[in-house]
Amino acid sequence: DTAVSQTPKYLVTQMGNDKSIKCEQNLGHDTMYWYKQDSKKFLKIMFSYNNKELIINETVPNRFSPKSPDKAHLNLHINSLELGDSAVYFCASSGAFYGYTFGSGTRLTVV
Amino acid sequence: DAKTTQPTSMDCAEGRAANLPCNHSTISGNEYVYWYRQIHSQGPQYIIHGLKNNETNEMASLIITEDRKSSTLILPHATLRDTAVYYCIVDYTGANSKLTFGKGITLSVRP
Repeated sequence: DTAVSQTPKYLVTQMGNDKSIKCEQNLGHDTMYWYKQDSKKFLKIMFSYNNKELIINETVPNRFSPKSPDKAHLNLHINSLELGDSAVYFCASSGAFYGYTFGSGTRLTVV
Repeated sequence: DAKTTQPTSMDCAEGRAANLPCNHSTISGNEYVYWYRQIHSQGPQYIIHGLKNNETNEMASLIITEDRKSSTLILPHATLRDTAVYYCIVDYTGANSKLTFGKGITLSVRP
């Protein structure tokens, strides 16, 4: 079983569309995160949720809205997609003490 | 902003030890030193972390100086599969964690 799984793996869409990326973890972790890795390979934290509560909300456009229906899931919805949103998005989770476990990423391409 | 300083790149021969340095002179008393790596196009992978004492696991060893202002990640017998970007990060544990990635160091293992 994959510990942190993201779907889809690849997403190609047109500007202006709305899309969602789903993430699920089966590690029993309390905290989940979304990271964005741009073309220059910088990894930046976007959001984190702890037990379904938003605790980190970095400077991210309002078009990005995370949703956590339960502590095992953290989805990312993006409205009105722009060319600059093209990137790889990584979901991660963490427990009380040990390191983060990352998913394999969702490569979003906006055309 | 990342609170660590790493060289941009280094290489080592396959089978030899790879020693990756990191400076974190502003580390606070409750912050841990974490190491992650990202192999091309994959999600970041947790390697090891420590507070004061040296640590060893099946992947690597972490040597932290007594003043905690620097550390070294040691891959005892580097293989070609260890070619990756390695990130040294200082962070709190638990709910105060906010893993912030810098540029990392690109390790190239040559045959």
